[in-house]
Amino acid sequence: AQSVTQLDSQVPVFEEAPVELRCNYSSSVSVYLFWYVQYPNQGLQLLLKYLSGSTLVKGINGFEAEFNKSQTSFHLRKPSVHISDTAEYFCAVSDQVQAGTALIFGKGTTLSVSS
Amino acid sequence: EAGVAQSPRYKIIEKRQSVAFWCNPISGHATLYWYQQILGQGPKLLIQFQNNGVVDDSQLPKDRFSAERLKGVDSTLKIQPAKLEDSAVYLCASSLQRDPQYFGPGTRLTVL
Repeated sequence: AQSVTQLDSQVPVFEEAPVELRCNYSSSVSVYLFWYVQYPNQGLQLLLKYLSGSTLVKGINGFEAEFNKSQTSFHLRKPSVHISDTAEYFCAVSDQVQAGTALIFGKGTTLSVSS
Repeated sequence: EAGVAQSPRYKIIEKRQSVAFWCNPISGHATLYWYQQILGQGPKLLIQFQNNGVVDDSQLPKDRFSAERLKGVDSTLKIQPAKLEDSAVYLCASSLQRDPQYFGPGTRLTVL
């Protein structure tokens, strides 16, 4: 069975500061890794994904994440946040062997950016 | 390219009433998922379809929830009768094989 732990439920930061949202996963099989963002009253939007290859993945809106297999982590980073980045962020995994299987999500991290 | 469409966006019902949600996936996406997102938690899979067949419904409360995807395109999720704990956002997602899932805007259900 797979599980995802997002280590921080809330992350408050000031505008233009760097941010890291932490995600650890547990799985007995190889996995694909994802970060989704959810703005208020909206569905989930894909930020970035790790399927294979380079462990540093770049996504939309200036976000990037690094896959660390030995630490089973997939932390999300942005060097300088904007007010508009305020949202809920979800880390998710899916089974790499059985492609197309459902996503297992963490509980989410609320990023609050203030001026 | 049109995204995943869902309706209604909001629904308020009394407990023990029935309710239905509709989802139209991205054109050509064979796989369709329904997730339940309770406030403060991440989405949890209810049911997964591949074309019009069920792939995984192990977490669907079958005594009250049902879902269908008759022609392998759009899908309906029904709750009958609803309980207070069914208050949540119901998200529909679709994907091509081995591609990421794309989510609709969700239906927010409030059961009073």
